[in-house]
Amino acid sequence: GAGVSQSPRYKVAKRGQDVALRCDPISGHVSLFWYQQALGQGPEFLTYFQNEAQLDKSGLPSDRFFAERPEGSVSTLKIQRTQQEDSAVYLCASSSDYSNQPQHFGDGTRLSIL
Amino acid sequence: EDQVTQSPEALRLQEGESSSLNCSYTVSGLRGLFWYRQDPGKGPEFLFTLYSAGEEKEKERLKATLTKKESFLHITAPKPEDSATYLCAVGDNQGGKLIFGQGTELSVKP
Repeated sequence: GAGVSQSPRYKVAKRGQDVALRCDPISGHVSLFWYQQALGQGPEFLTYFQNEAQLDKSGLPSDRFFAERPEGSVSTLKIQRTQQEDSAVYLCASSSDYSNQPQHFGDGTRLSIL
Repeated sequence: EDQVTQSPEALRLQEGESSSLNCSYTVSGLRGLFWYRQDPGKGPEFLFTLYSAGEEKEKERLKATLTKKESFLHITAPKPEDSATYLCAVGDNQGGKLIFGQGTELSVKP
């Protein structure tokens, strides 16, 4: 079956614009995670969902960041009024549960804010 | 606070030269320790999960081990195709998130 799919792969936006990043998880995976990865660093947790419920959003850096998963499948990460420090790779992962099963990652969206 | 530190930051090996990567961690309650491989421009690729001290897992030239404070990823007779960044992460028993280290960038020269 298909893996985690993210789109777009690359996004360039001007400072102050809003952006939306999409994640299609592996079919049947109930848990979905968003991470932010700066160059040369490991991924940092942003938020996660179990089905449509957002159970932890403690990693979202500001109220400009918003994530949703309305039907418990596809998820969107939205960043409002983008700033240069938002430039990073945004990774999505899914797993069949939230505890012991490994998270499987997509190839990410590389966001560049000019 | 949960924390993961990987060493070295970068490692250069000759083909066939075995070595080990270290992952030191502190976590309130270990749910699992995860090793991933990441190639440039790609997302992390799952390698192993270790759940308790003393556990070992192997896959081809890679072997992961776990103690109460650290994990090692042993690479035996590496090949150039093993070149990648290796990431270690821990999950605690408070929820689903993973805490990652900064990674070890491995380069294997022929």
